[in-house]
Amino acid sequence: AQTVTQSQPEMSVQEAETVTLSCTYDTSENNYYLFWYKQPPSRQMILVIRQEAYKQQNATENRFSVNFQKAAKSFSLKISDSQLGDTAMYFCALRGSARQLTFGSGTQLTVLP
Amino acid sequence: SQTIHQWPATLVQPVGSPLSLECTVEGTSNPNLYWYRQAAGRGLQLLFYSVGIGQISSEVPQNLSASRPQDRQFILSSKKLLLSDSGFYLCAWSAGWGRSETQYFGPGTRLLVL
Repeated sequence: AQTVTQSQPEMSVQEAETVTLSCTYDTSENNYYLFWYKQPPSRQMILVIRQEAYKQQNATENRFSVNFQKAAKSFSLKISDSQLGDTAMYFCALRGSARQLTFGSGTQLTVLP
Repeated sequence: SQTIHQWPATLVQPVGSPLSLECTVEGTSNPNLYWYRQAAGRGLQLLFYSVGIGQISSEVPQNLSASRPQDRQFILSSKKLLLSDSGFYLCAWSAGWGRSETQYFGPGTRLLVL
């Protein structure tokens, strides 16, 4: 069985600063994908970034980047130059050979003006 | 580009009443379709998925059912709602198959059962 753990229920950051959200996971598979989704107050789930486990290079999307440590089964999300619009619930998710995404419990990020 | 729609956006229903939530996708053919439920303050739980018309897989046994009458239409139903069915229901679509398959979500339906 796959599990995804987000140990930080809530975090806050000042506008324009950098914040890192943590995610650890467990899977017995070697090839899988990891995702970060954000859920703003509108509650629509929006894909932020994804990472293939076979790629050593960390994925980057504009101000969002990940620190993927396969051996440690860690997949953290770094948000640079935080903006007020980044305020949202952030979910880490894992997809292996099974069809479903396994989600963590989420981290509520608040960007303070 | 692809878009995904869900309606209604919000629904308040009495216990024991029927339910029908609809999800449609535009701009793609033969998508994989998913229904998730999110309880308040919690992560997402996969309820059903479909890889084609009439093909439904259930992940969690319960009083809900799903149907896919058309290629880009996915319906979540119940004959008699329970209080525990309250939550936020999200539909998602994806293309292709395999671990790289990325799911994209609709705006969701907020269901309150009283």
